[in-house]
Amino acid sequence: AQTVTQSQPEMSVQEAETVTLSCTYDTSESDYYLFWYKQPPSRQMILVIRQEAYKQQNATENRFSVNFQKAAKSFSLKISDSQLGDAAMYFCAYRSRITGNQFYFGTGTSLTVIP
Amino acid sequence: DAMVIQNPRYQVTQFGKPVTLSCSQTLNHNVMYWYQQKSSQAPKLLFHYYDKDFNNEADTPDNFQSRRPNTSFCFLDIRSPGLGDAAMYLCATSKGQGLGEQFFGPGTRLTVL
Repeated sequence: AQTVTQSQPEMSVQEAETVTLSCTYDTSESDYYLFWYKQPPSRQMILVIRQEAYKQQNATENRFSVNFQKAAKSFSLKISDSQLGDAAMYFCAYRSRITGNQFYFGTGTSLTVIP
Repeated sequence: DAMVIQNPRYQVTQFGKPVTLSCSQTLNHNVMYWYQQKSSQAPKLLFHYYDKDFNNEADTPDNFQSRRPNTSFCFLDIRSPGLGDAAMYLCATSKGQGLGEQFFGPGTRLTVL
């Protein structure tokens, strides 16, 4: 099975600053998706951003962008101009496009935003 | 809006008393998942359905069962809840065949007394 590693259990960032959350994964496959999900305290898990492995261009969604390094199996999330509402658990996840329906999650990074 | 709905949002049960959690979706997705999530941990997959095909995780206790009577609905049955089963239970859906992301419901918080 694929493994996803988030080596930062907790991170903090000053409001309006930039923070980068790390994620590495292990796979022998070439065609897959990577995701970052956000789970605010006591609230629903929502998708922040997704990357398709065959696309070389890094995905961007407003203040959120990724640094996808396929050879290094690294998928970091950069949050620019951090806002108080960004405080949450962030989970990195992997899905194979070949073997199908399972998602593999990292252990999560708890992000605190300091006013 | 298309969505994933879970009922109830909060469920209290007694030790050993069966409980059923429900999930419905309006996304018409092939795959439905049940996860258990304990405080500040990653969601742990219990099982998933691809259409009517049931896929159980090897380490899911026999105490946990699931039913999917149609595309829209999926149920999680806990036959004899123990104190260790107190958790957030998340339902999620996705398209099949390795396509795209998961969409999550808001979760059901289960308390076992």
